[in-house]
Amino acid sequence: GENVEQHPSTLSVQEGDSAVIKCTYSDSASNYFPWYKQELGKGPQLIIDIRSNVGEKKDQRIAVTLNKTAKHFSLHITETQPEDSAVYFCAARSSGGSYIPTFGRGTSLIVHP
Amino acid sequence: SQTIHQWPATLVQPVGSPLSLECTVEGTSNPNLYWYRQAAGRGLQLLFYSVGIGQISSEVPQNLSASRPQDRQFILSSKKLLLSDSGFYLCAWDGGGRAGYGYTFGSGTRLTVV
Repeated sequence: GENVEQHPSTLSVQEGDSAVIKCTYSDSASNYFPWYKQELGKGPQLIIDIRSNVGEKKDQRIAVTLNKTAKHFSLHITETQPEDSAVYFCAARSSGGSYIPTFGRGTSLIVHP
Repeated sequence: SQTIHQWPATLVQPVGSPLSLECTVEGTSNPNLYWYRQAAGRGLQLLFYSVGIGQISSEVPQNLSASRPQDRQFILSSKKLLLSDSGFYLCAWDGGGRAGYGYTFGSGTRLTVV
């Protein structure tokens, strides 16, 4: 089955800095890669996603890049703000077999004012 | 627009008591429905998923069960709670058995078994 590794587990940055969270996956049939943000006490929220036919996608201060050859994808947050502090999850979903996504273990992002 | 409702938000239950958590989705039909649990820490553990009425797949053997009595209703139950059942329970849905859609999660239920 699919295996998704997410790093780092904790990331601490100063307000205004950039933050990068990286994930690797094992199943070459995976073709959909969402990212979720979970604020304290709330359910995760989909913030951006990318499909395997695209190498990069941006939405204001966040971007996701995908390297299919290396089987890794990354979340980039620029000009971080205190409200970006949350736990971020990556996931990978395959086009074959089970369509259940496999989640990474999460990254706790702390943005210091 | 589609919305997902999950209740209650917080629950404190004694060991050995029953459990019923409910999740409903509005604004869509024939969704895939999921129950996840998040223990202390961050990981998301898939408990059950359903692709249609009466169809339940279990991912983790335990004293929990799930049912889908209606197309947009998903219920998580237990006959006798254990201390280890404490956690944050999340319901989620997506648009069907296609690989190109993300989840929409509910707001979660914080269950504490005492």
